[in-house]
Parts: sequence; C-alpha cells; structure tokens
Amino acid sequence: ELKVEQNPLFLSMQEGKNYTIYCNYSTTSDRLYWYRQDPGKSLESLFVLLSNGAVKQEGRLMASLDTKARLSTLHITAAVHDLSATYFCAVDVGETSGSRLTFGEGTQLTVNP
Amino acid sequence: EPEVTQTPSHQVTQMGQEVILRCVPISNHLYFYWYRQILGQKVEFLVSFYNNEISEKSEIFDDQFSVERPDGSNFTLKIRSTKLEDSAMYFCASSERGSRGITYNEQFFGPGTRLTVL
Repeated sequence: ELKVEQNPLFLSMQEGKNYTIYCNYSTTSDRLYWYRQDPGKSLESLFVLLSNGAVKQEGRLMASLDTKARLSTLHITAAVHDLSATYFCAVDVGETSGSRLTFGEGTQLTVNP
Repeated sequence: EPEVTQTPSHQVTQMGQEVILRCVPISNHLYFYWYRQILGQKVEFLVSFYNNEISEKSEIFDDQFSVERPDGSNFTLKIRSTKLEDSAMYFCASSERGSRGITYNEQFFGPGTRLTVL
C-alpha cells in the first residue's frame, strides 16, 4: 500500500522566516503534485513535478522532487500571512488510463505577524 | 477560466437515504474523479472514470457507490444508502488526460459538496 507522509503536520512560523515541508512516499513515482487548501475551500494546484530533479518556483514557494529518495520538498521563503493554509502533496500512481492521486496528511501552516 | 463546478454545496440527509452529488467537469476534459475528505483528515481517492466506465476505484468505493455520466456535461456520484461515516466533503476533479504514457497530467478540483448524514 502506498504511503505518503508529510512532515511537519503543523507548522507555526513568523512572517519573514524560511521553512521547508517534506513529503516522503513509499513507491516509485515520477509524478508529484502540491496543492493548497484554505479552510472550507477546494484544492488549488500549486506545482506539478514530473521528473527527478524537477524544481519549480512560484513567488515565495519552491518545490522540488527527488525520485530516487522518494522525497519532495516545499520550501517557503520569507513567509507572509497570506500563505497560511493547509498544503498537501499528492503522488500519482494511476495504473490504468486514468490517474489516481494519493494524498499526504497535509501540513497546516500558520504564519504569524 | 474554465473550472469544475459542483452542486449542491451542502447536502444534509438522513441515514439510509440515497444522495446524488453532481459535478460539471471542465468541458474538454476526458477523465473524471471523485475524492472525499472527512473533516480534518486527508483527501482520499474514490474513483476515476474514462470513456463511460470506471478506470480505477479504491476500497472505499463499495457497492453503495456508483458513478455515471448521464449526459455530455454532468458527472454524478450516487450513494445508495448513506451511513453516518459517509459524512465528508466530496470533491470532483477532472483532467485532460490520464497518466499512462504522458508527461503531464493535472487534476482540477471543484469546490466540493459537504455531505452531512444525520
């Protein structure tokens, strides 16, 4: 059974600080996604990582993928309050023509002024 | 910008009743999905659907669940006899492609239907 584990599950940080969220997964996959979810809202796609060594950046967020280590990271630079949300990584292990995302537990990020 | 829509936004039902959750995927997408998220927990895959049939389903998707694409735009999830533990947020998603043999696939999620079973 595929396991996707995020660390930490809860993160409280001050504005202006940097931090990294980790996502480990237990099976071979070269398709990993990061989503953001605000309370009571849907999932917003942040990054699509499709190969070993992939690195993508958008604003204060940067995601990377190491398929050999089965690890993805989401790095937050100089956090601002607007980044407060829950962040999910998801691994695509679809075997048929469709895809099937297995999500991590989510990291609830709170950025304090 | 095209988006996935879902109705209703909130459904309250009595245990044992049937519910149908509706989704309108993005118009040029061919693959459709249902996920659920029990309050405070992670998002769980239920089922994927392509070419008018189920591609994959999870252990959660038992005989009480069914999916249908009744016309060219709607995609529905039916729960035949709801249980208390079916209370959750149900997300519909769609993608342009599946995953095999392609380099890019992104699932776009709808706003969700909150199902409350009393």
